[in-house]
This record gives sequence, structure tokens and C-alpha cells, in this order.
Amino acid sequence: DQQVKQNSPSLSVQEGRISILNCDYTNSMFDYFLWYKKYPAEGPTFLISISSIKDKNEDGRFTVFLNKSAKHLSLHIVPSQPGDSAVYFCAAMVDSGTYKYIFGTGTRLKVLA
Amino acid sequence: NADVMQNPRHLVRRRGQEARLRCSPMKGHSHVYWYRQLPEEGLKFMVYLQKENIIDESGMPKERFSAEFPKEGPSILRIQQVVRGDSAAYFCASSPRFEVPGLGENEQFFGPGTRLTVL
Repeated sequence: DQQVKQNSPSLSVQEGRISILNCDYTNSMFDYFLWYKKYPAEGPTFLISISSIKDKNEDGRFTVFLNKSAKHLSLHIVPSQPGDSAVYFCAAMVDSGTYKYIFGTGTRLKVLA
Repeated sequence: NADVMQNPRHLVRRRGQEARLRCSPMKGHSHVYWYRQLPEEGLKFMVYLQKENIIDESGMPKERFSAEFPKEGPSILRIQQVVRGDSAAYFCASSPRFEVPGLGENEQFFGPGTRLTVL
């Protein structure tokens, strides 16, 4: 049962434009969400997070939006840069006291110069 | 994040051998997590450990897999009698402690991973 879903396996965006990566979840107990970026042969790197008490969090070019009623979150990157080309994973934290992450399957972003 | 160290980076084993994967968390971190990434899939939680304690091993296969995080030294993920299906990238992550969800930051810092290939 895939509790965190990233339905777009890949996305191509022109440099300078906005990249929007989407993530849906099914478990209403999730109360903390994160986005990680991963380059080939490296570990995931934390990008930005949001708790369920907020609906938006911004950090530089990265903004995460959370729509709890729709169980949907999105990551906006603007302006997109070629160095942003990577696989992006969204993750949700299970509020069971163990703090393990449930990851989506990832979206491969390619920013075209 | 180079500060979370994993070794070896690449490990090749034949079926039936044992694989030992090591993880040294970031300095000051006492929580360690292991995740597995199969080809074309996301990362799957395996186990969460604190020093000398297994907190949650709900993602660990019931047989052949074990993990420890001793008082001294790195965390070890051990796979006995490996099979081809164990071939994957294994990532370790660490965190210092936890804030209450919604009131603080809870990010985990990942190591570069160990790529296990079973022949």
C-alpha cells in the first residue's frame, strides 16, 4: 500500500521557469512532510519541510504548499536552474513515536538550459 | 551529506554470503535509521535505532536481516545468506533528537549509501 504517491515519474522544465512537483498521501495521521533532492550515487539531501499546522513554507527559490483536505502537497521551484536537475522525493512522517519517514517513489526533474 | 559516513560504498557478494554495512552518524546524533532503495523505487524504511536500542524494526524482513547501534562504534546492518533480491542501495540517516511534530524541525541527514550487488 503506497501511502505517499508521486504520480509523475519525470518532469522537464525550461531554465528560468517554474517547476511544480506534486505529492499525494493517504494517511491522515501524517503531520510532517519533507522534500529531499537526490543526485545519482549520492544520498538524499534535505530541501524543505512543512508541518500540518501550516499550509505554506518558503525558503529561497523553494516553496512547499500543503492542502490537508486534499491530502496533497507540492514543491515549487522558481526560477528553475540546471543544477536543480535531480530526483525529488517527498516524505511524510508517521506520528507513531518512531519518526520514520514514508517516501514517495520520486520525480526526476530535468531543467533544460 | 558527507558527515554521515557509510562504508563500504559498494559491496559485491555471492549468494549465501554475509553482507555488513556500516554507518557512522553525524557528530552528536544518537538516532540512526536504515532505508533501502530498490531500482526504480523510493526509499523504504527498515529500522530505527538509538544507542543500544532498536526502537522500530517494522520495515526489516523477519529473517536474515539484523541491525545494531552499539554504545561505541558505528551502526551495523547485517544481511546473512544474501540473495539476489537483496541487491539495492542501502541508506543510513541520522538525527540528533526529535522535536514534537509541528513545533520543530525533524529532518534526517542521509549518508551516501552502500550499493549492494549480489551475484
